[in-house]
Formats: sequence, structure tokens, C-alpha cells
Amino acid sequence: KAGVTQTPRYLIKTRGQQVTLSCSPISGHRSVSWYQQTPGQGLQFLFEYFSETQRNKGNFPGRFSGRQFSNSRSEMNVSTLELGDSALYLCASSSYQPARIDSNTGELFFGEGSRLTVL
Amino acid sequence: DAKTTQPPSMDCAEGRAANLPCNHSTISGNEYVYWYRQIHSQGPQYIIHGLKNNETNEMASLIITEDRKSSTLILPHATLRDTAVYYCIVRVGSRNTPLVFGKGTRLSVIA
Repeated sequence: KAGVTQTPRYLIKTRGQQVTLSCSPISGHRSVSWYQQTPGQGLQFLFEYFSETQRNKGNFPGRFSGRQFSNSRSEMNVSTLELGDSALYLCASSSYQPARIDSNTGELFFGEGSRLTVL
Repeated sequence: DAKTTQPPSMDCAEGRAANLPCNHSTISGNEYVYWYRQIHSQGPQYIIHGLKNNETNEMASLIITEDRKSSTLILPHATLRDTAVYYCIVRVGSRNTPLVFGKGTRLSVIA
């Protein structure tokens, strides 16, 4: 079964531009989360989507947004890019479903990430 | 903030067992212990998780103390490909709460 696919893998933007990153979860997974990884702050949670609804949001400014489509694919957008937005952006999918009261313990499966460089 | 404490780095000889400790003294009754690892420039990889009992899978074993305040991840026969940063995370398993990553332990497997 294919893993989590993120595109593009690498991209370079300049300050003030905006960027859209895409994530295709593992087939059958409906929960998608996004994380940012920088050398200074480490891995930090951005947001989580299930059934096209944002369920959780991390402590990031409004320039960071996301959405999820009916096929569970997700995109995140960063507007008005700043130098500090240079990072590895990671998407993770999970088989978690809120209405299920079973033993699903929600392990996340990560993609390889999109490495964004802002000049 | 991460609820776990791990040593920043460890070395292990190739072929030997790597034992990575983690302290989680404030763990709640419904929180699981998860282990992930991240090989350079790749996304984190799920290894194993547990609640109370020791767990084993094809990658590793997880030993959780009886009071659940600490655990040890064991890679039984470390290889050079196991060189990575290992993260110990506590998290409520029944809800999809975000993973809170600390700084992890950088394991270097030496030939």
C-alpha cells in the first residue's frame, strides 16, 4: 500500500510570496496532520483535518492555513512568506476516526516532507 | 512542552542492543508511550507504542516500568541504518491529539 505522498519535495520562494503544499494520505486514512520542522524549534504541530474539517490547530499565525478535500487529500498554504518559514513541512495520516470507540491508538504515518526555502 | 525527558545522544556498537531510555513521570492513566525515529532529512517513522505492558514488534521492544514513569526502547541488534533521532512521546491514544516532539535522542551506531 502506498505511503503518504507530499509534493513538491523541494521548492524555493522569495519573501512575500505564497506557497501551497500538497499531501495525499495513505489509502483509507481520513485524518491528516501537518507539522513544521526547523532547526531552532524542532517539530511543531500546525493543524489536523478529518472529513474536510479542521479539528485541531497549533500556535501558528493566520498566514498558515490548510484544507482537506472530500478524497482526504490535503493542502496547506503559507501566505506572505518570511525568511523564518524556511522549514521541512511534514504531512502525516492516520486511520483515526472520531466516532469510533475502539482500540485505535492513532499512530501517525509521515510523508517525506516538502522542504521550503525562503530567500 | 514535551512531557518526556531523553538523553540528547547515545552511541551503540553495530550488532549490539541499543537501549534508549525515556522518563515520563507525569504520564496520565490514559496516555500511551509512543516511539518514533527520524533518519536524516526524512519524515518521522513510527516504531512502537504501549500503555502498560511490554510490547515487541519486528522493529523493536518497548519496556515500560510498572509505575509507568519511564520506559526503554530496545533495538536488539543495531545496524548502521538505525542511526537516527529517536523521539519518545506520551499521548492519549483514543483521541487524535497532536504529537508533541521533544528534542529526542540522537543514536549513533558505530561500526
